[in-house]
Amino acid sequence: GIQVEQSPPDLILQEGANSTLRCNFSDSVNNLQWFHQNPWGQLINLFYIPSGTKQNGRLSATTVATERYSLLYISSSQTTDSGVYFCAGGSQGNLIFGKGTKLSVKP
Amino acid sequence: DTGVSQNPRHKITKRGQNVTFRCDPISEHNRLYWYRQTLGQGPEFLTYFQNEAQLEKSRLLSDRFSAERPKGSFSTLEIQRTEQGDSAMYLCASSLDRGNTEAFFGQGTRLTVV
Repeated sequence: GIQVEQSPPDLILQEGANSTLRCNFSDSVNNLQWFHQNPWGQLINLFYIPSGTKQNGRLSATTVATERYSLLYISSSQTTDSGVYFCAGGSQGNLIFGKGTKLSVKP
Repeated sequence: DTGVSQNPRHKITKRGQNVTFRCDPISEHNRLYWYRQTLGQGPEFLTYFQNEAQLEKSRLLSDRFSAERPKGSFSTLEIQRTEQGDSAMYLCASSLDRGNTEAFFGQGTRLTVV
């Protein structure tokens, strides 16, 4: 099955800094999403991005489908950005998740 | 429609007991997924339905686990003879099956087996 690798596993930032999270896939996917998991366990949808680039406020994402990776950019980070970020992708209906990047933003 | 709804939010049960969780998907979504998440890990796929048909089951779904979606609307996940290793967050998601297939997750059911 598809393997999903996220990097880095942990990231500590000072408030205001920018960051890039990466997601690599072992095989082609036709469905790719980025999520933020809040402290209560809820997965919040950030982007549905099988290909191309999207932006939403301080967050943007780029997927290069031919090279099987996706990037999530966080600019001007805030303490409320802290939490775990997951990417997930699939080709046959279900989504396979990576192990996540745990982001801590310090004031 | 307020999104994917899961009940109960928390469940504590004694080892050996049976438990059942319910998931109500977004109303127009014909796909429904179940995932399990343990501490420090990403969600792991268990099974998914398209309408009432169960199309795929992970090898993680042992014989003690059964999922149903009888009318293609809500779904139930039952765990029989629970074990301490079943303690986890159980997540449900739903999506369309064509076009924009973005999946939306419920708040999850946290199971603790004591």
